[in-house]
Formats: sequence, structure tokens, C-alpha cells
Amino acid sequence: DTAVSQTPKYLVTQMGNDKSIKCEQNLGHDTMYWYKQDSKKFLKIMFSYNNKELIINETVPNRFSPKSPDKAHLNLHINSLELGDSAVYFCASTRQGEETQYFGPGTRLLVL
Amino acid sequence: AQSVTQLGSHVSVSEGALVLLRCNYSSSVPPYLFWYVQYPNQGLQLLLKYTSAATLVKGINGFEAEFKKSETSFHLTKPSAHMSDAAEYFCAVSAPGLTGGGNKLTFGTGTQLKVEL
Repeated sequence: DTAVSQTPKYLVTQMGNDKSIKCEQNLGHDTMYWYKQDSKKFLKIMFSYNNKELIINETVPNRFSPKSPDKAHLNLHINSLELGDSAVYFCASTRQGEETQYFGPGTRLLVL
Repeated sequence: AQSVTQLGSHVSVSEGALVLLRCNYSSSVPPYLFWYVQYPNQGLQLLLKYTSAATLVKGINGFEAEFKKSETSFHLTKPSAHMSDAAEYFCAVSAPGLTGGGNKLTFGTGTQLKVEL
């Protein structure tokens, strides 16, 4: 199936740990995003990559580091996890010049 | 800069009744506007979008929205609610052509739609 996929779907971890979330799209898109949805369901962009180049970097703690090994993948690494990092993280993708972003199913991160 | 305001964090309607979810936007350039739906524990699904063509936009599941520039609004409607419409609805705006923006989506705070028998 063509889609945006994320792994893992659920992630429960302890404070202070380091974790990664992976995103892959097979839609042939060249632009990918990470969004964070907090406990009040507010969605906010974190990062965007176009052709493996970082083009959006919102005010996000530098404990968060995105990496795009190729156009189809955008990973998110989080160092020294804090309680406030608990959220749902959504990956999205689009083709540059097009307006519609396609979202993955989300990764539900719980930091204990 | 762009922003979205969704009036009413919770809306409750009876099955078969009209659904009206409100969205007002602010944008420094002509915007693109979107409605996304999120079912419990799922991702975001595009319902419909406005991209400067027809101002009345039809989407999936019988939803439609009208872009009104004079009112800076993009309200979502459905003539007859169904139980399966119960979900969280997000209005979003992007600003095409803004340099460095990468066409990011700015979301409203969401409206939880409840459909009662």
C-alpha cells in the first residue's frame, strides 16, 4: 500500500532515555515533516526536510534531532527524554509545490 | 504569519442534524485552507481543501466548506450528521509562496464533534 508509515506506533520509556522514531513514505514525495500533538490535541510543526535538506526548524529543544537519510525517510531522535515530551508525533509528506500533506498514523510517546 | 481560530472546542449535534464547525483564519498572503479529521487513536485524514479555485469546496463523507475572503472564514458543514462523523476536526492554513516556510501547516486547536441519537 502507498502510504506514510511510522515506527513504532507506541513508545513507553523512562525519563532520561534516548529514543528514535522512524518515518517512511512511498508516495514519491520530496518534502517531509514532523508535527507534535500535545495532550490537548494541539498540533504544531517541528521540522521539515526537502530533498534531505532541513528547511523548517521551529523552536524545538535541541534534544530533538531530525535526520533524513534519503527523500523517503525522516527520522526523529530525542535525547534525554522529559515528561513533557509525552505526545503523539506525526510524520507527514508532500511533493514540493503541491499543497496537500499526507499524514502517518502517529507515534504515541509516553515518558514515565 | 498565519493563524487559525476554531470556535467551539466541543460541538454536539443529533444524528440527522446539520453539522457546522467554524474556522477563521489569518494570513499575510492568499492562503490554502484545509480541514482534517482525526478519529480516536488514528492519524489525520484530509477531508477537503481550498487552493484558490472554487470557493465552495466539496470533500469526502458529504462534507463541504466555503471560503469567504471578506469574513476570513472557512466553515465546515454537513447537511445530516451520522454517528460515524464523531471525531476531532482540525482546520489548517498554509501560506504558499512564503519563502522559508516550506508550506508548513498551521492548525487550529480542533473541534470535537459528538453525534447523539
